[in-house]
Amino acid sequence: EDQVTQSPEALRLQEGESSSLNCSYTVSGLRGLFWYRQDPGKGPEFLFTLYSAGEEKEKERLKATLTKKESFLHITAPKPEDSATYLCAVLNAGNMLTFGGGTRLMVKP
Amino acid sequence: DGGITQSPKYLFRKEGQNVTLSCEQNLNHDAMYWYRQDPGQGLRLIYYSQIVNDFQKGDIAEGYSVSREKKESFPLTVTSAQKNPTAFYLCASSTTYQQGYTFGSGTRLTVV
Repeated sequence: EDQVTQSPEALRLQEGESSSLNCSYTVSGLRGLFWYRQDPGKGPEFLFTLYSAGEEKEKERLKATLTKKESFLHITAPKPEDSATYLCAVLNAGNMLTFGGGTRLMVKP
Repeated sequence: DGGITQSPKYLFRKEGQNVTLSCEQNLNHDAMYWYRQDPGQGLRLIYYSQIVNDFQKGDIAEGYSVSREKKESFPLTVTSAQKNPTAFYLCASSTTYQQGYTFGSGTRLTVV
């Protein structure tokens, strides 16, 4: 059974204080690891797909990295508008996504 | 613009009633999915369909039913058998070879 664990569950940062979110996973036949951003009351919004260990993707203040067992979402100099829940998910060989519980990020000005 | 439309955005159900949540996509995606999200939790799969006229149960299918008569549409019925239906429901779609899902904006269901 595929499993995804995200930590921490919640993270409070001051504006400009860089940090990282963790996503640990076990999956049968990894086809991709996904990061989504979800704002309250809305559907998840796609951020990144990572396909193999060592791969990195960047978008503005966000950088996602992947190893064989975990992925990190690094947030550099965050702003209040980065406040959201960040979801990690793995896609297995059967094209099914398994989600982690998410990390709720709050960035205070 | 292509996307997924869920309606209604808010839905209230009385005890013992069945309600149907709508999900329509114009992305020409083959597969569609229904997820349930409870406060502070991740997404749990209710049902999915990879082709018209076929669907499979997900992890928490009890108390729910679906149909897939058209490629564009995948409605979810929350039946009276679902004992704790209050939640945020998300519909998603993907192509067979697409890496990742596209999500709708969700329906919040509340039992009154």
